[in-house]
Amino acid sequence: DIQLTQSPSFLSASVGDRVTVSCRASQGIGSYLAWYQQNPGKAPKLLIYAASTLQSGVPLRFSGSGSGTEFTLTISSLQPEDYATYYCQQSNNYPVTFGGGTRVEI
Amino acid sequence: QVQLVQSGAEVKKPGASVKISCKASGYIFTNYAVHWVRQAPGQSLEWMGWIRSNTKPSQKFQDRVTITWDTSATTAYMELTSLRFDDTAKYYCARGPLTGRDGIDVWGQGTTVTVSS
Repeated sequence: DIQLTQSPSFLSASVGDRVTVSCRASQGIGSYLAWYQQNPGKAPKLLIYAASTLQSGVPLRFSGSGSGTEFTLTISSLQPEDYATYYCQQSNNYPVTFGGGTRVEI
Repeated sequence: QVQLVQSGAEVKKPGASVKISCKASGYIFTNYAVHWVRQAPGQSLEWMGWIRSNTKPSQKFQDRVTITWDTSATTAYMELTSLRFDDTAKYYCARGPLTGRDGIDVWGQGTTVTVSS
């Protein structure tokens, strides 16, 4: 199975900060990577797919980059509603796998 | 409005089985796959399998999970057998592309399964 390692696992930031979350794959996955945001008790929400394509309706302050084994999710200016847990997910290889998550808090 | 609506919470004893339903609406059901993902309390997301023209469960669950769908009812089902305490989790169905790099874009509200003696 492809392992996805996210870093950091916990991040403390202030409103307006630029935030970066990393996701490293144990082997190359091309651009078959997606990012999700999850609030407590809620279902995940798709933010980015194909490594860098913004899902419809997602604010432009979110962006994704990378290919192969190294990927990054960036929030250009953190907003109060962005405090959540973020997960990466690969679909290049069976089985689909998710990263361990990055919790973003104040 | 595209949505997935799951069946309600379940409490089961160890060794029992649980079957969760996922009713889809607002899109052409067979144009997408349905994934099943679970999340134990405080843990990350864990993919269990999917169904499209065929079904493919994760090897971890291969012996215990059955994923089916009724296309006429636009409903998918996930049955997990031989329940253990560590199967306590919230189970999600979600819509994904048949192929390609598009992500899993629509999620059900989740079904909490508690395994308790």
